[in-house]
Amino acid sequence: EAGVTQFPSHSVIEKGQTVTLRCDPISGHDNLYWYRRVMGKEIKFLLHFVKESKQDESGMPNNRFLAERTGGTYSTLKVQPAELEDSGVYFCASSPLGRSPDTQYFGPGTRLTVL
Amino acid sequence: EDQVTQSPEALRLQEGESSSLNCSYTVSGLRGLFWYRQDPGKGPEFLFTLYSAGEEKEKERLKATLTKKESFLHITAPKPEDSATYLCAVQVHTDKLIFGTGTRLQVFP
Repeated sequence: EAGVTQFPSHSVIEKGQTVTLRCDPISGHDNLYWYRRVMGKEIKFLLHFVKESKQDESGMPNNRFLAERTGGTYSTLKVQPAELEDSGVYFCASSPLGRSPDTQYFGPGTRLTVL
Repeated sequence: EDQVTQSPEALRLQEGESSSLNCSYTVSGLRGLFWYRQDPGKGPEFLFTLYSAGEEKEKERLKATLTKKESFLHITAPKPEDSATYLCAVQVHTDKLIFGTGTRLQVFP
Protein backbone atom coordinates (compact mmCIF):
# COMPACT_ATOMS: atom_id res chain seq x y z
CA GLU A 1 0.00 0.00 0.00
CA ALA A 2 1.41 3.40 -0.98
CA GLY A 3 2.02 5.84 1.82
CA VAL A 4 1.32 9.55 1.99
CA THR A 5 3.13 11.37 -0.79
CA GLN A 6 4.02 15.05 -1.02
CA PHE A 7 5.23 17.21 -3.85
CA PRO A 8 7.62 18.91 -4.25
CA SER A 9 10.19 17.60 -1.80
CA HIS A 10 11.96 20.96 -1.81
CA SER A 11 10.98 24.44 -2.92
CA VAL A 12 13.07 27.60 -2.88
CA ILE A 13 11.24 30.82 -3.66
CA GLU A 14 11.69 34.52 -3.12
CA LYS A 15 9.69 36.61 -0.71
CA GLY A 16 6.46 37.72 -2.33
CA GLN A 17 6.17 34.75 -4.66
CA THR A 18 3.51 32.07 -4.56
CA VAL A 19 4.06 28.39 -3.82
CA THR A 20 1.64 25.48 -3.92
CA LEU A 21 2.32 22.28 -2.03
CA ARG A 22 0.50 19.06 -2.80
CA CYS A 23 -0.37 16.07 -0.64
CA ASP A 24 -1.78 12.72 -1.74
CA PRO A 25 -3.11 10.78 1.28
CA ILE A 26 -3.20 7.02 1.65
CA SER A 27 -5.98 5.66 -0.54
CA GLY A 28 -9.27 5.52 1.36
CA HIS A 29 -8.20 7.90 4.12
CA ASP A 30 -10.84 10.58 4.53
CA ASN A 31 -8.94 12.52 7.22
CA LEU A 32 -6.14 14.72 5.92
CA TYR A 33 -3.97 16.98 8.07
CA TRP A 34 -1.37 19.65 7.40
CA TYR A 35 1.41 20.37 9.89
CA ARG A 36 4.49 22.59 9.81
CA ARG A 37 7.86 22.57 11.52
CA VAL A 38 9.84 25.79 11.54
CA MET A 39 13.53 25.80 12.46
CA GLY A 40 14.17 24.76 16.04
CA LYS A 41 10.50 24.42 16.94
CA GLU A 42 8.10 21.55 17.35
CA ILE A 43 5.78 20.29 14.63
CA LYS A 44 2.59 22.35 14.74
CA PHE A 45 -0.88 21.66 13.42
CA LEU A 46 -2.25 23.80 10.60
CA LEU A 47 -5.57 22.27 9.58
CA HIS A 48 -7.71 19.16 9.23
CA PHE A 49 -9.93 18.06 6.36
CA VAL A 50 -12.62 15.43 6.59
CA LYS A 51 -13.17 14.48 2.98
CA GLU A 52 -13.45 17.85 1.23
CA SER A 53 -14.62 19.83 4.28
CA LYS A 54 -12.40 21.80 6.62
CA GLN A 55 -12.98 20.32 10.08
CA ASP A 56 -10.48 22.45 11.98
CA GLU A 57 -8.38 25.28 10.62
CA SER A 58 -7.39 26.78 13.95
CA GLY A 59 -3.67 26.42 13.23
CA MET A 60 -3.57 28.38 9.99
CA PRO A 61 -1.25 31.31 10.69
CA ASN A 62 -2.96 33.96 8.50
CA ASN A 63 -4.92 34.52 5.33
CA ARG A 64 -1.85 34.12 3.13
CA PHE A 65 -2.36 30.37 3.51
CA LEU A 66 -5.11 28.66 1.52
CA ALA A 67 -5.80 24.94 1.73
CA GLU A 68 -8.10 23.02 -0.57
CA ARG A 69 -9.17 19.45 -1.00
CA THR A 70 -11.42 19.26 -4.01
CA GLY A 71 -13.17 15.92 -4.43
CA GLY A 72 -11.91 14.69 -1.09
CA THR A 73 -8.74 13.15 -2.50
CA TYR A 74 -5.51 15.10 -2.75
CA SER A 75 -4.99 18.45 -1.05
CA THR A 76 -3.07 21.58 -1.90
CA LEU A 77 -1.67 24.25 0.39
CA LYS A 78 -0.97 27.58 -1.27
CA VAL A 79 1.11 30.32 0.30
CA GLN A 80 0.56 33.72 -1.34
CA PRO A 81 2.54 35.91 -0.97
CA ALA A 82 5.28 34.00 0.82
CA GLU A 83 7.17 35.67 3.68
CA LEU A 84 10.53 34.76 5.22
CA GLU A 85 8.88 33.29 8.32
CA ASP A 86 7.01 30.77 6.19
CA SER A 87 10.22 28.78 5.73
CA GLY A 88 10.07 25.33 7.24
CA VAL A 89 9.05 21.77 6.56
CA TYR A 90 5.39 21.18 5.73
CA PHE A 91 4.05 17.73 6.55
CA CYS A 92 0.85 16.11 5.47
CA ALA A 93 -0.75 13.21 7.34
CA SER A 94 -3.81 11.06 6.79
CA SER A 95 -5.96 8.62 8.72
CA PRO A 96 -9.12 6.63 8.05
CA LEU A 97 -12.50 7.92 9.12
CA GLY A 98 -14.40 6.30 11.95
CA ARG A 99 -11.95 5.47 14.73
CA SER A 100 -10.88 8.24 17.06
CA PRO A 101 -8.23 8.68 18.26
CA ASP A 102 -6.60 7.09 15.25
CA THR A 103 -3.05 6.89 14.02
CA GLN A 104 -2.02 9.62 11.62
CA TYR A 105 0.44 8.52 8.94
CA PHE A 106 2.83 11.18 7.75
CA GLY A 107 4.34 11.99 4.40
CA PRO A 108 8.01 12.85 3.87
CA GLY A 109 7.37 16.58 3.96
CA THR A 110 8.07 19.54 1.69
CA ARG A 111 10.98 21.73 2.71
CA LEU A 112 10.12 25.33 1.85
CA THR A 113 12.79 28.01 1.83
CA VAL A 114 11.75 31.62 1.34
CA LEU A 115 14.64 33.96 0.48
CA GLU B 1 -2.83 25.52 27.64
CA ASP B 2 -2.10 21.96 26.49
CA GLN B 3 1.63 21.30 26.53
CA VAL B 4 4.07 18.48 25.76
CA THR B 5 7.68 18.49 26.99
CA GLN B 6 10.30 15.95 26.00
CA SER B 7 13.60 15.26 27.72
CA PRO B 8 16.44 15.04 27.21
CA GLU B 9 16.83 17.10 24.03
CA ALA B 10 19.68 14.86 22.94
CA LEU B 11 21.01 11.51 24.12
CA ARG B 12 24.21 9.71 23.17
CA LEU B 13 24.41 6.01 23.98
CA GLN B 14 26.90 3.27 23.44
CA GLU B 15 25.52 0.28 21.58
CA GLY B 16 23.87 -1.99 24.17
CA GLU B 17 23.47 0.77 26.75
CA SER B 18 19.80 0.86 27.72
CA SER B 19 18.05 4.13 28.57
CA SER B 20 14.70 5.94 28.66
CA LEU B 21 13.23 8.99 26.96
CA ASN B 22 10.64 11.07 28.78
CA CYS B 23 7.49 12.82 27.55
CA SER B 24 5.57 14.81 30.12
CA TYR B 25 2.26 16.40 29.28
CA THR B 26 -0.14 18.92 30.75
CA VAL B 27 -3.47 18.55 29.03
CA SER B 28 -7.14 18.68 29.86
CA GLY B 29 -8.47 15.29 28.86
CA LEU B 30 -6.03 12.97 27.10
CA ARG B 31 -7.52 10.96 24.24
CA GLY B 32 -4.29 9.34 23.12
CA LEU B 33 -0.50 9.65 23.30
CA PHE B 34 1.58 8.80 20.26
CA TRP B 35 5.26 8.02 19.77
CA TYR B 36 6.86 8.58 16.38
CA ARG B 37 10.37 8.08 15.07
CA GLN B 38 11.80 10.55 12.57
CA ASP B 39 14.91 10.02 10.48
CA PRO B 40 16.69 12.98 8.85
CA GLY B 41 14.87 14.23 5.75
CA LYS B 42 11.85 11.98 6.34
CA GLY B 43 8.43 12.29 7.90
CA PRO B 44 7.48 10.96 11.34
CA GLU B 45 7.05 7.19 11.37
CA PHE B 46 4.42 5.79 13.73
CA LEU B 47 5.60 3.61 16.62
CA PHE B 48 2.95 3.37 19.36
CA THR B 49 -0.37 4.69 20.60
CA LEU B 50 -1.19 4.66 24.33
CA TYR B 51 -4.69 5.47 25.55
CA SER B 52 -4.81 5.15 29.33
CA ALA B 53 -2.55 5.22 32.39
CA GLY B 54 -0.91 1.88 33.06
CA GLU B 55 -0.86 0.86 29.42
CA GLU B 56 2.36 -0.53 27.92
CA LYS B 57 3.32 -1.44 24.37
CA GLU B 58 6.43 -3.10 22.97
CA LYS B 59 8.10 -3.39 19.61
CA GLU B 60 11.51 -5.01 19.25
CA ARG B 61 13.89 -3.03 21.50
CA LEU B 62 11.32 -0.33 22.31
CA LYS B 63 8.77 -0.25 25.09
CA ALA B 64 6.38 2.63 25.75
CA THR B 65 4.60 3.21 29.04
CA LEU B 66 2.02 5.77 30.17
CA THR B 67 1.10 7.36 33.49
CA LYS B 68 -1.33 10.20 34.18
CA LYS B 69 1.39 12.81 33.71
CA GLU B 70 4.06 11.30 31.48
CA SER B 71 5.14 8.62 29.09
CA PHE B 72 8.46 6.84 28.81
CA LEU B 73 10.05 5.25 25.79
CA HIS B 74 12.47 2.62 27.04
CA ILE B 75 15.19 1.47 24.68
CA THR B 76 16.79 -1.84 25.59
CA ALA B 77 20.23 -2.73 24.22
CA PRO B 78 20.05 -0.13 21.43
CA LYS B 79 21.79 -0.56 18.10
CA PRO B 80 23.19 2.15 15.80
CA GLU B 81 20.13 1.80 13.56
CA ASP B 82 17.98 3.06 16.45
CA SER B 83 19.58 6.48 16.00
CA ALA B 84 16.81 8.96 15.13
CA THR B 85 14.69 11.71 16.64
CA TYR B 86 11.85 10.35 18.75
CA LEU B 87 8.72 12.46 18.88
CA CYS B 88 5.89 12.37 21.39
CA ALA B 89 2.46 13.80 20.56
CA VAL B 90 -0.89 13.97 22.33
CA GLN B 91 -4.42 14.17 21.08
CA VAL B 92 -6.80 16.09 23.33
CA HIS B 93 -10.15 17.63 22.40
CA THR B 94 -9.90 17.44 18.63
CA ASP B 95 -8.06 15.16 16.21
CA LYS B 96 -5.02 17.41 15.91
CA LEU B 97 -1.73 16.22 17.37
CA ILE B 98 0.23 18.41 19.78
CA PHE B 99 3.91 17.56 19.50
CA GLY B 100 6.90 17.89 21.78
CA THR B 101 10.22 19.08 20.36
CA GLY B 102 11.65 15.55 20.31
CA THR B 103 14.68 13.71 21.64
CA ARG B 104 17.59 13.23 19.26
CA LEU B 105 19.12 9.82 19.95
CA GLN B 106 22.55 8.77 18.74
CA VAL B 107 23.78 5.22 19.32
CA PHE B 108 27.46 4.57 18.74
CA PRO B 109 28.99 1.16 17.95
